[in-house]
Amino acid sequence: AQSVTQPDIHITVSEGASLELRCNYSYGATPYLFWYVQSPGQGLQLLLKYFSGDTLVQGIKGFEAEFKRSQSSFNLRKPSVHWSDAAEYFCAVYRGSTLGRLYFGRGTQLTVWP
Amino acid sequence: GAVVSQHPSRVICKSGTSVKIECRSLDFQATTMFWYRQFPKQSLMLMATSNEGSKATYEQGVEKDKFLINHASLTLSTLTVTSAHPEDSSFYICSARAVGVAKNIQYFGAGTRLSVL
Repeated sequence: AQSVTQPDIHITVSEGASLELRCNYSYGATPYLFWYVQSPGQGLQLLLKYFSGDTLVQGIKGFEAEFKRSQSSFNLRKPSVHWSDAAEYFCAVYRGSTLGRLYFGRGTQLTVWP
Repeated sequence: GAVVSQHPSRVICKSGTSVKIECRSLDFQATTMFWYRQFPKQSLMLMATSNEGSKATYEQGVEKDKFLINHASLTLSTLTVTSAHPEDSSFYICSARAVGVAKNIQYFGAGTRLSVL
C-alpha cells in the first residue's frame, strides 16, 4: 500500500509566486514527517520535519509545512519562490520501524519561470 | 549540521569489475545507514539498511551477493557493486541516521553516479 502520495509530478510557478506542494500519507498513527529537496545530481537536503507539537513547522530556505491530521496531509509551502528553488522535492514518512526506514513519495519536480 | 560524505561522486567502470562506494558520517555517529538507488526522474528505492557491526537487511529483490554492504564502524558504511554490468548503472545515495536526539532524521550523502561500460 502506498504510504506517501505526492499527487503532483511536476509544478511550474513564476518567480515570486507562492508555492504549495502536496503530500498525503496513509498510516494509522501520527508518523514523523519530512520534506527533502534534491538538486540535480545531488543528494537530499532536509528542509523541515514534524515530530509533534505545533502543526505548522518552519524550515530552511523560507519553507514551511503544515500537518493536518484530519486530512493526513503535510503540505509544503513558500510565500515567494526564488529561481534557486527549482529542484525535486520529496515528502517522506517515518512509521516507527525499529530500523528507522523512511517511506518516500515519488517526488514533485518544481520549475521556476523567471 | 550533520554532514554525510559519499565518495566517489562519479565512477565509470568496465563491465565485470567491482566498485566500492563509501559513506561517512563526518560529525556524528550513525547507528544505521541506508543505501538507496535512484533511477532518472524517479524516487529513491531503498536497497538495504545497515547497522554497525551486524549484517545488512536487504529489501526484497535486491541481490545480497551483488550489492555487498559493510558497516564496520559508527561512521562508515560501504557498498560494493560486484561484477558490475551496464544495468547496474544508476545513482546511488546513502544516508545515515544519527544516534541520540535526532535519531529519527536521516542525513544524505551527495550520491554516486555509477556508469558501467
